[in-house]
Amino acid sequence: GQQLNQSPQSMFIQEGEDVSMNCTSSSIFNTWLWYKQDPGEGPVLLIALYKAGELTSNGRLTAQFGITRKDSFLNISASIPSDVGIYFCAGQSRGNNRLAFGKGNQVVVIP
Amino acid sequence: EAQVTQNPRYLITVTGKKLTVTCSQNMNHEYMSWYRQDPGLGLRQIYYSMNVEVTDKGDVPEGYKVSRKEKRNFPLILESPSPNQTSLYFCASRSDPFAGGAYEQYFGPGTRLTVT
Repeated sequence: GQQLNQSPQSMFIQEGEDVSMNCTSSSIFNTWLWYKQDPGEGPVLLIALYKAGELTSNGRLTAQFGITRKDSFLNISASIPSDVGIYFCAGQSRGNNRLAFGKGNQVVVIP
Repeated sequence: EAQVTQNPRYLITVTGKKLTVTCSQNMNHEYMSWYRQDPGLGLRQIYYSMNVEVTDKGDVPEGYKVSRKEKRNFPLILESPSPNQTSLYFCASRSDPFAGGAYEQYFGPGTRLTVT
């Protein structure tokens, strides 16, 4: 299956800072999903995006569906220690019933 | 509470000893999947099912079987486990997008399998 590109792979940030990550695809997507995974646990859905240009927030998290429909962005504002984890993007292209996943961004928050 | 449950959460077994990992969801979702997660490789889909009695191979189906006799359950079967199947396994479910459902997919808590 198709793999999405997530960058950077890992980030070390100071508590209180904002952090941004993005996810790109070689094809046009109709849906973007962002997940967070804590060590040893299953991914938890954070935000779902369905329209190009859509900007959606969930607390301190904000995600955007890129205008080109080939990318998506996630921003965490005012990071706190519990933001530590791996953040995955997932997407679905037209006519495809399966989701593609990125390999994840490891976020480490330094107190 | 809407959720996907998996059992067991941890399993250590020996090569060749058949095992089953159960998965159940209470959201009446049509679509269910199994994934394995390995360092550096991300999530890879093993099998998926679009509805009862409808299953299909994902990206890495070799060595695995599944069945979908009821809508809520989707067990993963390893007939003869081998060490290269040591991994973290996730079950997931979502509604059928082609029937007007959303693409939002929900994951179970994971099963850590070690095959020696």
